[in-house]
Amino acid sequence: DIVMTQTPSSQAVSAGEKVTMSCKSSQSLLYSENKKNYLAWYQQKPGQSPKLLISWASTRESGVPDRFIGSGSGTDFTLTISSVQAEDLAVYYCEQYYDTPFTFGSGTKLEIK
Amino acid sequence: EVQLVESGGGLVQPGRSLKLSCAASGFTFSNYGMAWVCQAPTKGLEWVASISTGGGNTYYRDSVKGRFTISRDNAKNTLYLQMDSLRSEDTATYYCARHAGTGSSYYFDYWGQGVMVTVSS
Repeated sequence: DIVMTQTPSSQAVSAGEKVTMSCKSSQSLLYSENKKNYLAWYQQKPGQSPKLLISWASTRESGVPDRFIGSGSGTDFTLTISSVQAEDLAVYYCEQYYDTPFTFGSGTKLEIK
Repeated sequence: EVQLVESGGGLVQPGRSLKLSCAASGFTFSNYGMAWVCQAPTKGLEWVASISTGGGNTYYRDSVKGRFTISRDNAKNTLYLQMDSLRSEDTATYYCARHAGTGSSYYFDYWGQGVMVTVSS
């Protein structure tokens, strides 16, 4: 199974600050035939179901604010929120869909100071 | 608007069965792979099973193989999860999720609101 490791487990920032969170996979998620990274980021707000933010490591979903930026390739990936807003309070999960079993990281909980 | 509405959860004793349903609307159901993802209380997300557009291909995590069966009825726009021989560790909220493409090698672009399954005597 591909193990997804997210760090930090929690992070507290003030509104307006920039935040970065890391996701590392135990094997490469880059598929050589199409040069795509099979990595997605989800946001889960308290009491809600997960919401897709980013697919293919860096493609932002329609309607997702441009302050959410996905980057990385291979085994190392980053989600950056350029200027955190109060409504960004949530747990953020990365997920690999390169191979079954599809696996998620344990999440990074974002708290707003 | 894409909507996924789960039902069928509840309290069940260990060893018993439960069948979850997910009613889909707002898109052509038969064109998308579908999946179940669970989340134990205060824990992270865990993929359970996926099914191809026509239902001919199914995939499971090891811990549910032989106990859970994913299926779909494209005429009724409904996804199912038959859960047999339930264990306490199956206690979780179960989400119905849509794969973003025809196969299962796609991320989950829409999620239902979830249904709680509690396995306890």
